[in-house]
Amino acid sequence: GQQLNQSPQSMFIQEGEDVSMNCTSSSIFNTWLWYKQDPGEGPVLLIALYKAGELTSNGRLTAQFGITRKDSFLNISASIPSDVGIYFCAGQNTGNQFYFGTGTSLTVIP
Amino acid sequence: ETGVTQTPRHLVMGMTNKKSLKCEQHLGHNAMYWYKQSAKKPLELMFVYNFKEQTENNSVPSRFSPECPNSSHLFLHLHTLQPEDSALYLCASSQGLAGYLYEQYFGPGTRLTVT
Repeated sequence: GQQLNQSPQSMFIQEGEDVSMNCTSSSIFNTWLWYKQDPGEGPVLLIALYKAGELTSNGRLTAQFGITRKDSFLNISASIPSDVGIYFCAGQNTGNQFYFGTGTSLTVIP
Repeated sequence: ETGVTQTPRHLVMGMTNKKSLKCEQHLGHNAMYWYKQSAKKPLELMFVYNFKEQTENNSVPSRFSPECPNSSHLFLHLHTLQPEDSALYLCASSQGLAGYLYEQYFGPGTRLTVT
């Protein structure tokens, strides 16, 4: 069945470094969303993408909807300690079924 | 209150208990969702409601029973649960057609432990 593969599973980085993570799917998606989840809290929407090739920024975060419509990328520039958390992608395919990735756990070392 | 709220935040229940989870959205949305989040697994969609009507039930066991009295409130009634049902239960809401991924907003979740 459909799977969203998110990588990496975890990252340990120094404060100030840039971060990249991505999601790939086995089928074409119409929508990609990126969420961040802090411990004990619900996911918070960071960026929504609705068009292939779309590049959208939200402060230090930038996400892209891949041209093939089978992948999406999230970049965080100049990481800070409060960026710690789990980031996960979500996507909806042409059959209007939606899926969530397993998440990328980010640790920022001060 | 703003956004999506859930109560209780934590719940411990025995396998023979009956309890309910409550979700309320203050965003004027028309669609509400229940998700189950287990460690190291993707979010699992359980139920979807659009304008109080259930539009999706993803093969969820009958020991989970949803109720949506209006577009702002969603309940999940629990009875005779199993230990493997222990998880974080998340509620979400969105504007537009239910089942579409358009910008779902999540509550903080209820951490459920079944003993």
